[in-house]
Amino acid sequence: DIVMTQTPLSLSVTPGQPASISCKSSQSLLHSDGKTYLYWYLQKPGQPPQLLIYEVSNRFSGVPDRFSGSGSGTDFTLKISRVEAEDVGVYYCMQSIQPPYSFGQGTKLEIK
Amino acid sequence: EVQLVESGGGLVQPGWSLRLSCAASGFTVSSKYMSWVRQAPGKGLEWVSVIHSGGSTYYADSVKGRFTISRDNSKNTLYLQMNSLRAEDTAVYYCARGSSSWGQGTLVTVS
Repeated sequence: DIVMTQTPLSLSVTPGQPASISCKSSQSLLHSDGKTYLYWYLQKPGQPPQLLIYEVSNRFSGVPDRFSGSGSGTDFTLKISRVEAEDVGVYYCMQSIQPPYSFGQGTKLEIK
Repeated sequence: EVQLVESGGGLVQPGWSLRLSCAASGFTVSSKYMSWVRQAPGKGLEWVSVIHSGGSTYYADSVKGRFTISRDNSKNTLYLQMNSLRAEDTAVYYCARGSSSWGQGTLVTVS
């Protein structure tokens, strides 16, 4: 089974400053079809998760361009170029290259 | 517009069964892989099960042999049959379409 490890587990950021979250998988997420099945979600308080980034670096519809994803193989990063108050919540990475699919532990972002 | 509405949660005793439903609209449940993901109170997300468009099903080790995922194309609904429930199954259960769309969740409490 693939284990997803996120760091840090919590983040306190001043509005307007950047933020970065790392996600490492125990196996490569690069599929033979050429796609890498790594996703980033944000779960705001009291809400279901919402997709931010799919297949490493593609912003989902309506996601602000201050969010970006990068990485390959087993190492991935989510970056927020300028954190805003509405970005608070818990960020999760997830792999779906092979079942059982799995999530990282989550990274809680708070505003200073 | 894609919409997913879960139902069927509630309070049950250990060992009991429950069936969750996820009514879909705006797409057909057989067209994309569909998953169940749960979140215990105050905890992170835990993937539970998936059914692929071709019908293949997979489960987390924690529920294998106790939970069954299925779909009814005529009702455009996804299901999760949960048997032999345990206290550690207590969670909000979300259904998801592919990677992009999630329902609001339904709470299952085993106590």
